[in-house]
Amino acid sequence: EAGVAQSPRYKIIEKRQSVAFWCNPISGHATLYWYQQILGQGPKLLIQFQNNGVVDDSQLPKDRFSAERLKGVDSTLKIQPAKLEDSAVYLCASSLEYNSPLHFGNGTRLTVT
Amino acid sequence: GNSVTQMEGPVTLSEEAFLTINCTYTATGYPSLFWYVQYPGEGLQLLLKATKADDKGSNKGFEATYRKETTSFHLEKGSVQVSDSAVYFCALSEATGANNLFFGTGTRLTVIP
Repeated sequence: EAGVAQSPRYKIIEKRQSVAFWCNPISGHATLYWYQQILGQGPKLLIQFQNNGVVDDSQLPKDRFSAERLKGVDSTLKIQPAKLEDSAVYLCASSLEYNSPLHFGNGTRLTVT
Repeated sequence: GNSVTQMEGPVTLSEEAFLTINCTYTATGYPSLFWYVQYPGEGLQLLLKATKADDKGSNKGFEATYRKETTSFHLEKGSVQVSDSAVYFCALSEATGANNLFFGTGTRLTVIP
């Protein structure tokens, strides 16, 4: 089966600019997650969707981050405006159901200068 | 709250050496425990898991036993190979499956011939 697809692979922007990341989960997977992995740290959950509804966004900095999952399939994560501390790898993961194992994409590495 | 503490890296071993990567956790309730591996240039992959006390997860020669009394889930392998070079993450989830994961900081393993 095809894995979780993410794009772009790399992105470099200046602070205060905006950026968007895209994720296409494994076909049929109802649950989608966005994680932020800062260099030297483990991934941290930003937001979790079940189909097109938000299950958990308690760790999402809502003043600058937003995410949507239209039609319960693809998802986009946006940062506006970006800060230097947003430099990280943004990982998308999906799972078949709420309590199924997660499958991760290769991530998008964001550098904010 | 939930947290995972992992052995600091990096770890460098010669081929066929014995590997131990320590992991301890703090959690409310009865978490599931996981080891994920990230090979160079690839996404996170589930290596093994254990869902209750005294369970042993195993895969590709790696093993880890869920020790409730010591709140630990140490990763071991009897004879490492060059191909095992990767970053290893210990993680926990409060759900039976792999719901919201709390990750450790990761341990980079390099195996030299």
